[in-house]
Amino acid sequence: GENVEQHPSTLSVQEGDSAVIKCTYSDSASNYFPWYKQELGKRPQLIIDIRSNVGEKKDQRIAVTLNKTAKHFSLHITETQPEDSAVYFCAASNSGGYQKVTFGTGTKLQVIP
Amino acid sequence: KAGVTQTPRYLIKTRGQQVTLSCSPISGHRSVSWYQQTPGQGLQFLFEYFSETQRNKGNFPGRFSGRQFSNSRSEMNVSTLELGDSALYLCASSLDRGVNEQFFGPGTRLTVL
Repeated sequence: GENVEQHPSTLSVQEGDSAVIKCTYSDSASNYFPWYKQELGKRPQLIIDIRSNVGEKKDQRIAVTLNKTAKHFSLHITETQPEDSAVYFCAASNSGGYQKVTFGTGTKLQVIP
Repeated sequence: KAGVTQTPRYLIKTRGQQVTLSCSPISGHRSVSWYQQTPGQGLQFLFEYFSETQRNKGNFPGRFSGRQFSNSRSEMNVSTLELGDSALYLCASSLDRGVNEQFFGPGTRLTVL
């Protein structure tokens, strides 16, 4: 089955700096890669996603890149703010497997004011 | 539209007991997935239902089971509870056209004593 590895497990950055979280996946059939943000005590919420026919996607301060050959994808947050502090999960799935989504183990991001 | 709801929000059980958790998806969503979230393990996929049929199953023992009703509401059952079953159980709903964004419920916090 699919295996998703996520690094780092914790990340501290100064406010205004950039943060990068990296994930690798094992199943070459995976074609959908969402990123979820989970604030303390709250439910995970989708912040950005990318499909395998696209190499990069950006939404304001958040961007995701995908390298299908290397089977890795990354989340980039620029100009970090204290409200970006949360746990971020990457995930991978393939349309042939319907909604069987495999999540990474999460990255706890702390933005220091 | 109302979001995904889960009941109960908190449960305390003792070893050997069984428990049933409920999830009501967003209106119009026919896919419901269940996840177990524990510290350090991220979100682990339990199973996914669509139109009352289990389409995918994760690597959990047979003590974990579920079902989906004709109105897309889903239940998850854990029998013969073990201490290690203590976790936050999240359900997520999505539209079923390929693989799409999942909307999570607030979760049920299960504590096994």
